[in-house]
Amino acid sequence: AQSVTQLGSHVSVSEGALVLLRCNYSSSVPPYLFWYVQYPNQGLQLLLKYTTGATLVKGINGFEAEFKKSETSFHLTKPSAHMSDAAEYFCAVSDSSGGSNYKLTFGKGTLLTVNP
Amino acid sequence: DAGVTQSPTHLIKTRGQQVTLRCSPKSGHDTVSWYQQALGQGPQFIFQYYEEEERQRGNFPDRFSGHQFPNYSSELNVNALLLGDSALYLCASSLRDRGFVEQFFGPGTRLTVL
Repeated sequence: AQSVTQLGSHVSVSEGALVLLRCNYSSSVPPYLFWYVQYPNQGLQLLLKYTTGATLVKGINGFEAEFKKSETSFHLTKPSAHMSDAAEYFCAVSDSSGGSNYKLTFGKGTLLTVNP
Repeated sequence: DAGVTQSPTHLIKTRGQQVTLRCSPKSGHDTVSWYQQALGQGPQFIFQYYEEEERQRGNFPDRFSGHQFPNYSSELNVNALLLGDSALYLCASSLRDRGFVEQFFGPGTRLTVL
C-alpha cells in the first residue's frame, strides 16, 4: 500500500520569502510523485511530477521539487512567494508498476498563506 | 478544448436518498477516475472506468457505483446517502496508453447531505 504524509497542515510565509512544503511518501515499488494545487472552489491543477530520470523537477509558476529516494521525500519549494500562491497544496503518489493504469494516493494537504 | 466538465456544481440531498453525478472527460481521453474529497482532507480514489468497465476500485462500499458510456463520459451513483457522504467529488480523465499519462481534474461537484 502507498501513503503520503504532508508535514504541516498550514504554512504561512511573507511575500518574497522561500516556500517549503514537505512531503514524505511510502511505496513498495518505484513511485510516481506529484504536487497539485487547489484554489478555493476549484479542482486540482498539476504543478509538477516526477516519473523517472532527473530527480529535480521544475513545474509551473516557479515551483520545483526534488525526489530523494533515501529520504522518501518529495518536498516542494519556490524561492520567492507571491500573493497568488496562496492555496491548498497536495502531494500525491502513484504506483508506477501499473503503467497508465494508476490511481493517485493523496496527502491531507497543506494550506499556504502568503502575508503581504 | 473544454477540459474536464462536471455537473451539477452543487447538490443538496437528504439522508437515504440517491444521487447521480456526471463527468465529461477532456477531449480525446478515454479513462475516467472518480475521487472523493471530504472537507479538510485530500482526495480519495473511488474507482476508475475504461472501455465501459470498472478497472480499479478504492475502499468504498457498494453504495458507490458508476458507469461509463460509449462516448467516454461517466456517472457516479451513490445510494442510501449518509451524512458522511458530504464531500467534493472530483472526476479526472486521462488517455490510456503505455507509460505515464497525466490525469486532468474537473472542478468537482459539491454534495451536501442533510
